[in-house]
Amino acid sequence: GESVGLHLPTLSVQEGDNSIINCAYSNSASDYFIWYKQESGKGPQFIIDIRSNMDKRQGQRVTVLLNKTVKHLSLQIAATQPGDSAVYFCAEKTGSNYQLIWGAGTKLIIKP
Amino acid sequence: DAGITQSPRHKVTETGTPVTLRCHQTENHRYMYWYRQDPGHGLRLIHYSYGVKDTDKGEVSDGYSVSRSKTEDFLLTLESATSSQTSVYFCAISDTGELFFGEGSRLTVL
Repeated sequence: GESVGLHLPTLSVQEGDNSIINCAYSNSASDYFIWYKQESGKGPQFIIDIRSNMDKRQGQRVTVLLNKTVKHLSLQIAATQPGDSAVYFCAEKTGSNYQLIWGAGTKLIIKP
Repeated sequence: DAGITQSPRHKVTETGTPVTLRCHQTENHRYMYWYRQDPGHGLRLIHYSYGVKDTDKGEVSDGYSVSRSKTEDFLLTLESATSSQTSVYFCAISDTGELFFGEGSRLTVL
């Protein structure tokens, strides 16, 4: 079936640098995409979302980019901090279907 | 934080015993979900509810049942627990698309 996947299971970034976490999706009909952050021992927390009629959306220190041509989603974190250490999940949704399809996650490690 | 409480937070049980996990919300959100999370699989939807007494299956519903008798509570039941159901279970709620998650319930089936 359709699935959302991630290019890298682990990403190591120097503190202060920018982080880019990538996600590939296969359902071209998906129209809503979300990024979640999950810290150790906690439930996932919403970071940012984007609809398919947009290419870019910015939040506080985070930017999500959507490339529908190649079905690619990315999360950019500016000036990465130790508190950004977590597993990041992308998820997609199609139309009125309230079920999300989740990727396997990327672990972000911050090097001091 | 969204008002979601899962109980119990940790449980160890034996194969063949029944187990019920409870999710309680104080946000009056319409949709409630049960996910399981296992290494290498991310989050997988077990069952979800779109209203009182309205539930539907997710991608990994075998061996699980749910009930929602009132808006604030969504119960997940394992009628006869198996070792393959050892996992961390997350409840989530939503109204407009964004999901809010509980802290998780770690279940170990021996």
